[in-house]
Amino acid sequence: QKEVEQDPGPLSVPEGAIVSLNCTYSNSAFQYFMWYRQYSRKGPELLMYTYSSGNKEDGRFTAQVDKSSKYISLFIRDSQPSDSATYLCAMSMWSGGSNYKLTFGKGTLLTVNP
Amino acid sequence: DGGITQSPKYLFRKEGQNVTLSCEQNLNHDAMYWYRQDPGQGLRLIYYSQIVNDFQKGDIAEGYSVSREKKESFPLTVTSAQKNPTAFYLCASSSSERETQYFGPGTRLLVL
Repeated sequence: QKEVEQDPGPLSVPEGAIVSLNCTYSNSAFQYFMWYRQYSRKGPELLMYTYSSGNKEDGRFTAQVDKSSKYISLFIRDSQPSDSATYLCAMSMWSGGSNYKLTFGKGTLLTVNP
Repeated sequence: DGGITQSPKYLFRKEGQNVTLSCEQNLNHDAMYWYRQDPGQGLRLIYYSQIVNDFQKGDIAEGYSVSREKKESFPLTVTSAQKNPTAFYLCASSSSERETQYFGPGTRLLVL
């Protein structure tokens, strides 16, 4: 079983739709959870960061973590064509000293159609 | 502006040639990382460095080498021993107090 599982999609939605992106994980040592957005041929940019179970909201984006189910989600409200990108979930755990090891999902390709 | 820069944007390697990818950051971050991204495979860690003059192998270090002589610089050399080097290479950095990493724009390496 892979440490982090993410449905690669592709996912295609109409403009204005609510988008739900999900990842599951198997290692309960993961403590911190992130979502990155990556436009084509660019580096990933940090979108959301959470460290506890529950919801965190930032504008149209909501990150949800359920540690008991080992499940994280990213919701995008009122999706826009500019949201079209690959979304990567990432999880980190302490690996000694001041080092945190990040493990990434494979990414979900999202297209928002005008 | 603070950030991470990578150069070149595109790099072509000939058979048997070593090539070096540049990564510079002015965020005053202690830790720096190199990842390789292949279609459908996500990001895989090549090397990382927590402090100057120290670095550790990641999950796929074979065929690669790094140095960390300055805090702001972490170059990656793709050696001729790396038989499948075609990929998108991403450099990242993080503060020692934070668990998150910030990425550069990437270098696409192609084999001639």
